[in-house]
Amino acid sequence: ETGVTQTPRHLVMGMTNKKSLKCEQHLGHNAMYWYKQSAKKPLELMFVYNFKEQTENNSVPSRFSPECPNSSHLFLHLHTLQPEDSALYLCASSQDTSGRGTDTQYFGPGTRLTVL
Amino acid sequence: ILNVEQSPQSLHVQEGDSTNFTCSFPSSNFYALHWYRWETAKSPEALFVMTLNGDEKKKGRISATLNTKEGYSYLYIKGSQPEDSATYLCASFGGGKLIFGQGTELSVKP
Repeated sequence: ETGVTQTPRHLVMGMTNKKSLKCEQHLGHNAMYWYKQSAKKPLELMFVYNFKEQTENNSVPSRFSPECPNSSHLFLHLHTLQPEDSALYLCASSQDTSGRGTDTQYFGPGTRLTVL
Repeated sequence: ILNVEQSPQSLHVQEGDSTNFTCSFPSSNFYALHWYRWETAKSPEALFVMTLNGDEKKKGRISATLNTKEGYSYLYIKGSQPEDSATYLCASFGGGKLIFGQGTELSVKP
């Protein structure tokens, strides 16, 4: 399989549940990202990992906990979420995080999360 | 904080029409401008990365121009086809991250 894959594609969870989103990239990239898209809003960056180290946390609430065990895998652990956290969560990867902003980010298809 | 704006929000055209839409971004401290094409239920697909003022890039029937001095980029589609129906996103790099616009949703009717 090529590109960036995400599982599950759809997830429904209650506010007291704990669940995890998984992302895997098969492109040999060193940087991975989590984005959130709420209804009618632009894609919003949540976290960035470069060479397995977190380099960006965009003021994300602690009920979202990322994990990057290696450069190919990225997880987003979810616990005690709120209904307003319902959104599409996208993973992306790029060669690295050069400060010039020219690295193309390659996206997965996203996980559609519904919090009841 | 960057503010990236795209217009129009949605566009409906007939097959064969040519169309264009706009991405506006702050012109100060410009680094790079990205365009993506996003079909429903699929992954956003990178179209162009543009850095130089006056740059023009082309991919098949799709092309884009960049004006960094005034802070805008145009995306053009020549002879639209139904398979061009998608949301087109632009993103400007600033503060160490991509800042996305809300997108232009294009619908091409046969």
